[in-house]
Amino acid sequence: AQTVTQSQPEMSVQEAETVTLSCTYDTSESDYYLFWYKQPPSRQMILVIRQEAYKQQNATENRFSVNFQKAAKSFSLKISDSQLGDAAMYFCAYTTSGTYKYIFGTGTRLKVLA
Amino acid sequence: EAQVTQNPRYLITVTGKKLTVTCSQNMNHEYMSWYRQDPGLGLRQIYYSMNVEVTDKGDVPEGYKVSRKEKRNFPLILESPSPNQTSLYFCASSPLGGLNQPQHFGDGTRLSIL
Repeated sequence: AQTVTQSQPEMSVQEAETVTLSCTYDTSESDYYLFWYKQPPSRQMILVIRQEAYKQQNATENRFSVNFQKAAKSFSLKISDSQLGDAAMYFCAYTTSGTYKYIFGTGTRLKVLA
Repeated sequence: EAQVTQNPRYLITVTGKKLTVTCSQNMNHEYMSWYRQDPGLGLRQIYYSMNVEVTDKGDVPEGYKVSRKEKRNFPLILESPSPNQTSLYFCASSPLGGLNQPQHFGDGTRLSIL
C-alpha cells in the first residue's frame, strides 16, 4: 500500500531564512504525482507545488522548490526567504493516474519567527 | 467566482441522527472528493468520484455514503453518526483527478457528534 510520511511535526524558521520540510513516500507505481499543500490558520487548502514522477527536473514556484529524489522516494520542500505569511501547516500528498486516490501525510506545522 | 461550497460550515449533533453535508462546485469538474482532517493524522480520503454515477472508496469509507447524481454535487451522508466521526471535513474538486491542475477545496465543515 502507498504511504506518505512527514517526520517533522513542527519546524521553525527565522524570517528571510531558508527551511526544508521533509516528505518520504512508498509506492510500487511508476506513474505518480506528488504535491505540497499549504493550510494557513484560515483552514483553506492551497496548492504550493506539484511534481510529476516522470520528470527529472525539480519543480519550482517562486520561493518554493522541491528536491525530488525518485530512487530514495523523497520529496522535500524548500522555502527560501521565508515570510510571516508562510506560517501554516504543510501537507505532502501523492496520487497516481491509475487510481486517482490521494494519500496525504500527517503534516508539518511551520512557524516563522520575526 | 470559481468555488467549492460546503454546507453546513459547523454542525453539532447527536449519535445516530442521520446527517448530510452538501458539496457543490461551479467549475464543471469531473473529479470530486471528500476528506476528513484529524490532528496528527493529516487528511484522509473518504470517497472520491471520477464522474457522474462513478464513486470509489478512499482510505476511510466506513460509516459514510456518497452519491454523484449530478456533476456539480457530491453530498456526504452519515447514516448513523458516531463520536469517532467528529472531525473537520473537506470537499474538493478538480478536472480529471487533479493531476495537471490543483484540487480546489471547500472551506471545510466542522462536525461534532455527541
